[in-house]
Amino acid sequence: KNQVEQSPQSLIILEGKNCTLQCNYTVSPFSNLRWYKQDTGRGPVSLTIMTFSENTKSNGRYTATLDADTKQSSLHITASQLSDSASYICVVSGIQGVNNDMRFGAGTRLTVKP
Amino acid sequence: GAGVSQTPSNKVTEKGKYVELRCDPISGHTALYWYRQSLGQGPEFLIYFQGTGAADDSGLPNDRFFAVRPEGSVSTLKIQRTERGDSAVYLCASSPSPSAGQYFGPGTRLTVL
Repeated sequence: KNQVEQSPQSLIILEGKNCTLQCNYTVSPFSNLRWYKQDTGRGPVSLTIMTFSENTKSNGRYTATLDADTKQSSLHITASQLSDSASYICVVSGIQGVNNDMRFGAGTRLTVKP
Repeated sequence: GAGVSQTPSNKVTEKGKYVELRCDPISGHTALYWYRQSLGQGPEFLIYFQGTGAADDSGLPNDRFFAVRPEGSVSTLKIQRTERGDSAVYLCASSPSPSAGQYFGPGTRLTVL
């Protein structure tokens, strides 16, 4: 069973609307959680990174939240744009916080329509 | 500045053949990672280099997979006797240190017929 579960698997919204993507994890102990955006045919690009002591982090129209007690994170996208269409991947690092200890979720495929 | 580059962008091969996939990391990045990503899935860790040495190869699925980084910069992922199940996008990432943010390349899409 994957230690990082994301929902929904896919999502379609209209341009200008907000949306929230969910990430639940069982990785323990835990060092940090990252959200990546992956455009089709591209590699993932980091959006936010949070340690266990942080509960929110913003990057422009993207706001990530973290509840380390319930092991849940969300990524909220405000005023969506067509260019937000991509896969959003949640990645959790174990105790060492090193990159080869990262557990990737399967991603949420977001489509923003005009 | 130049990011991580990977060549070729697409590779189609026949079952049983040998393939090499190349990764050029960002200059100065000592850590380099290979991942495999199947359709609709997140990247799956394969191997991690710190400098020239493979610091963690626990993700390599079997002995048909091998990777090198002889001069601590460019890396090559080698797959022998390819199988249809090897078809995936192979991503490379580099970072300035093992815990710093990773920068991913665009990937090589491998198709084994």
